[in-house]
Order: sequence, then structure tokens, then C-alpha cells
Amino acid sequence: ETGVTQTPRHLVMGMTNKKSLKCEQHLGHNAMYWYKQSAKKPLELMFVYNFKEQTENNSVPSRFSPECPNSSHLFLHLHTLQPEDSALYLCASSQPGLEETQYFGPGTRLLVL
Amino acid sequence: SQQGEEDPQALSIQEGENATMNCSYKTSINNLQWYRQNSGRGLVHLILIRSNEREKHSGRLRVTLDTSKKSSSLLITASRAADTASYFCATGDVQGAQKLVFGQGTRLTINP
Repeated sequence: ETGVTQTPRHLVMGMTNKKSLKCEQHLGHNAMYWYKQSAKKPLELMFVYNFKEQTENNSVPSRFSPECPNSSHLFLHLHTLQPEDSALYLCASSQPGLEETQYFGPGTRLLVL
Repeated sequence: SQQGEEDPQALSIQEGENATMNCSYKTSINNLQWYRQNSGRGLVHLILIRSNEREKHSGRLRVTLDTSKKSSSLLITASRAADTASYFCATGDVQGAQKLVFGQGTRLTINP
């Protein structure tokens, strides 16, 4: 495993539920990311945070709400999701620079019923 | 728009053989990276090649980059069962290294 942890690892929720995904990195990085990985689709970048500030929102629906209280923690708040939001949600971190290697967590497998 | 496209989508070989995967992309890049993903898990960085490099080695991995053809290849030599995974290329844009664009990946199966 890398120095990036994600909880929970699996989540089943109804369309009216509110839940949160948590990511923590122990690598001393200052950039964190949320990605969505759906079956048969490329990995999609959702959000990027640099030094706790959101620097990228890749046209993500407002039912996904990110929060980055500090450089080590990243949350993804979920509400009124749709079944098509079922996917593997991956968190990653990196150290900002010209050549950035991203370090990924194990992901949260989300199923929306 | 989708950047990296891997070829083939799936590859099955015998243990000990070499595996070659290809990646094509569309726009100018700062670097190209290869990642591995075991089933349902996070991605693990394998190797990064800069746009001004043509070839790079790391252990049993060999990566080439041809910017004129906008393509890269990943060669895994002397494959092992533990190499079974999906392999993704990701391109780092000249405008922003953080916006990695991933391809759909090659599913590699190593048969014992």
C-alpha cells in the first residue's frame, strides 16, 4: 500500500442518503485529487486541491462536494446521488512541480441503489 | 477529450514471455507516465518519461517515447504471474502537470 489511505473501502447508499468519503495522505504532499473510475471508461479527474485550495473542478455535478481542511486530508461529500455514480473513487496526492508522480489510495467502491 | 489510448485492450501471455503495451496520445505533453492497477485497487506509479527522452529503463520495465508519432510503449521482460494487472498510460500536459489524462488501459494476464 502507498502512503494514501481511504475510508470506507466499500459503501452502499440510497439515492436520498448523505455520505462522505475520506482520504488521508502521510507523504507530506501539498496536492490532492479525487478521481472517478467507472467500468469501461478512462479514469476521470474530478477535483484538484493545491495547498488546501481547489484549483480544478472538472465539471463535476454539485451532488459531489469536496472539502480539504488541510494538506493531509481530503473529503468527498455525497448527496442525492444517482445509480450511474456507482464507481471506484480514487484519491491521490503529489508534490506540486513540473513532473508530478501521483500516489493513489486503494479507493472506495461505491454502489448507489 | 480522451488523450491516452492503450493498445491492446487485453493481452494474455505465458509466464517468462515479454509483454508489450502501446499508448497513443493527441496533444503536446510534458511527460508520459505508466501506472499499474491490480484488480479493484489503487494505481501504482511505474515509470515517468520526459518529453525530451526517448527511452527509459527501470528493472524489467522499458519505456519508449516517440513524440513525432505521439506514442509510447511499455515492455515488461521475463513476465511473472504477479505482473497480472491493468496498465495505464497517463500524459502530463504542458499547461499543467497535475492534469494527468489516463487511457482506458491494457488488461495483462500472465498465465503460469
